[in-house]
Amino acid sequence: ETGVTQTPRHLVMGMTNKKSLKCEQHLGHNAMYWYKQSAKKPLELMFVYNFKEQTENNSVPSRFSPECPNSSHLFLHLHTLQPEDSALYLCASSQGDFTGELFFGEGSRLTVL
Amino acid sequence: DAKTTQPNSMESNEEEPVHLPCNHSTISGTDYIHWYRQLPSQGPEYVIHGLTSNVNNRMASLAIAEDRKSSTLILHRATLRDAAVYYCILRDMGQTGANNLFFGTGTRLTVIP
Repeated sequence: ETGVTQTPRHLVMGMTNKKSLKCEQHLGHNAMYWYKQSAKKPLELMFVYNFKEQTENNSVPSRFSPECPNSSHLFLHLHTLQPEDSALYLCASSQGDFTGELFFGEGSRLTVL
Repeated sequence: DAKTTQPNSMESNEEEPVHLPCNHSTISGTDYIHWYRQLPSQGPEYVIHGLTSNVNNRMASLAIAEDRKSSTLILHRATLRDAAVYYCILRDMGQTGANNLFFGTGTRLTVIP
């Protein structure tokens, strides 16, 4: 069982669809993160949750809506996306302190048509 | 967080040591230096981190300059599995809460058989 599991691994959606990405961690961590990785661009930190509370929103458009029901699960709800939102979305978790290493999932590859 | 500068790409022969440089001339006294790497089609993985002293672990060594304005990640014997993008990231230990890491463009390491 891997530490951080993301589903689905691949997703294709139209601009009017609503879909969700799911992340689950089995490491007992307190902090969870969403990153976006577009082609030929650095990883962009999107959202951070620490003890289920959102502590960072890095100027992400409202068409991306995160949800963290507990410390083990993190969702990214998607609606009315644009083709430029096509990217690899990576989830990570950590102990929640400033030195704790981040453990990443394998990512969800999103294509918006 | 302070900015880091890394070469875009480097090459190494298999089974030879690799020295990956990182410049961080604007580092503050409370910034930790983190290194992550991202293998093809995977999420990033933690490699090593340090503050002032050189650090060793099973994956690599981190050599930090005395003035802390630069650091070097050392892979003692490169293998084909070490081909990846290596990221050098600064993290302010003065910030509380989760370990928000802002990735740059990194160094793409190619290992030649």
